[in-house]
Amino acid sequence: GDSVTQMEGPVTLSEEAFLTINCTYTATGYPSLFWYVQYPGEGLQLLLKATKADDKGSNKGFEATYRKETTSFHLEKGSVQVSDSAVYFCALEYGNKLVFGAGTILRVKS
Amino acid sequence: DTAVSQTPKYLVTQMGNDKSIKCEQNLGHDTMYWYKQDSKKFLKIMFSYNNKELIINETVPNRFSPKSPDKAHLNLHINSLELGDSAVYFCASSTSGGAIYNEQFFGPGTRLTVL
Repeated sequence: GDSVTQMEGPVTLSEEAFLTINCTYTATGYPSLFWYVQYPGEGLQLLLKATKADDKGSNKGFEATYRKETTSFHLEKGSVQVSDSAVYFCALEYGNKLVFGAGTILRVKS
Repeated sequence: DTAVSQTPKYLVTQMGNDKSIKCEQNLGHDTMYWYKQDSKKFLKIMFSYNNKELIINETVPNRFSPKSPDKAHLNLHINSLELGDSAVYFCASSTSGGAIYNEQFFGPGTRLTVL
């Protein structure tokens, strides 16, 4: 079945460091891909999305590119802030069903 | 505020009890979902309803029964609670049909603790 694998955390970075969180997927069709963010004590919020190959999703300084050839959708940010500390989920959507990765905890220290 | 809301936010109960979690959305969406997030943050879909009809039913014990009285509400009733049911339960909603993707909007979650 469809699945998403993302790098295990926690990832701990200093403020202004570069962030990469790896995500790869397995799917029978051509899913849409997403990154969701969960801040402490809150529900999930959509961070960015890409609906077809080579699309780049971006929001709040975060970017991810849909790479069909490597079945990847890695999340990047050039300079993280303390306020970016959260859990990040990679997900794919197929037939209105979201399949999530295990989540990666990001901790940013000042 | 337009949003997806859930009640209660916290629920602590004894094994064997029956409990319900309520979800309401005022976004005008016609599809609603329940997800379970375990202690390791792993998030998995349980159910989805479209216009009050069940469209997704993952492998969930039949102690869990969703009920959708109307398009804006999707409640989750759990019978004979077990320790393993302890988790955070998230409700979500979206539109459906037509678009390549219909963004799902999540509620704040209900933390269920079974003692």
